[in-house]
Amino acid sequence: EAGVAQSPRYKIIEKRQSVAFWCNPISGHATLYWYQQILGQGPKLLIQFQNNGVVDDSQLPKDRFSAERLKGVDSTLKIQPAKLEDSAVYLCASSLWSGTGAFFGPGTRLTVL
Amino acid sequence: GENVEQHPSTLSVQEGDSAVIKCTYSDSASNYFPWYKQELGKRPQLIIDIRSNVGEKKDQRIAVTLNKTAKHFSLHITETQPEDSAVYFCAASGNTDKLIFGTGTRLQVFP
Repeated sequence: EAGVAQSPRYKIIEKRQSVAFWCNPISGHATLYWYQQILGQGPKLLIQFQNNGVVDDSQLPKDRFSAERLKGVDSTLKIQPAKLEDSAVYLCASSLWSGTGAFFGPGTRLTVL
Repeated sequence: GENVEQHPSTLSVQEGDSAVIKCTYSDSASNYFPWYKQELGKRPQLIIDIRSNVGEKKDQRIAVTLNKTAKHFSLHITETQPEDSAVYFCAASGNTDKLIFGTGTRLQVFP
């Protein structure tokens, strides 16, 4: 069974530029999560989807971050414009449904200069 | 909102000893509690989980216990080995179905 796929794996941009990350969850998984993990900290939930609906986006900085999961499968997370403090690993995870084990992708390491 | 606290932040043990990591959660409606292991530069990996209708679950050298009244749950690793060295995260999911992570425990197992 294929795992969660993410791309790109690494991205370096300058502040005020925009960036987009892509995630393909495990086939059949209804729930998709985007987490931000800053070095030395635990994953922070940015947004959680159930199929193509948003379960929670209370921690998503909506003035600069956006995410979508239009067909209930793949998802994209966008940052526009990026700030220095956005430097982190962005982890996508999926689970069969909310309240079951979530499986993580390899992450995208973002560096904002 | 929901909050998950984790202690200790670092833990050093001798190979063969036991390690215990504790978490508390704020949302009394939380009903699912997974634990993740994250090695340096890698993704978090699910190692064990427990639901609120169970008090304890064991899988070889790892076990998780849950005290719903006190809103505590703990990870127990017995007969630790150097390859157990990693950062461990607890998490909780409740009424809102959000999966919230703790702050992590860096476990070092010395040979």
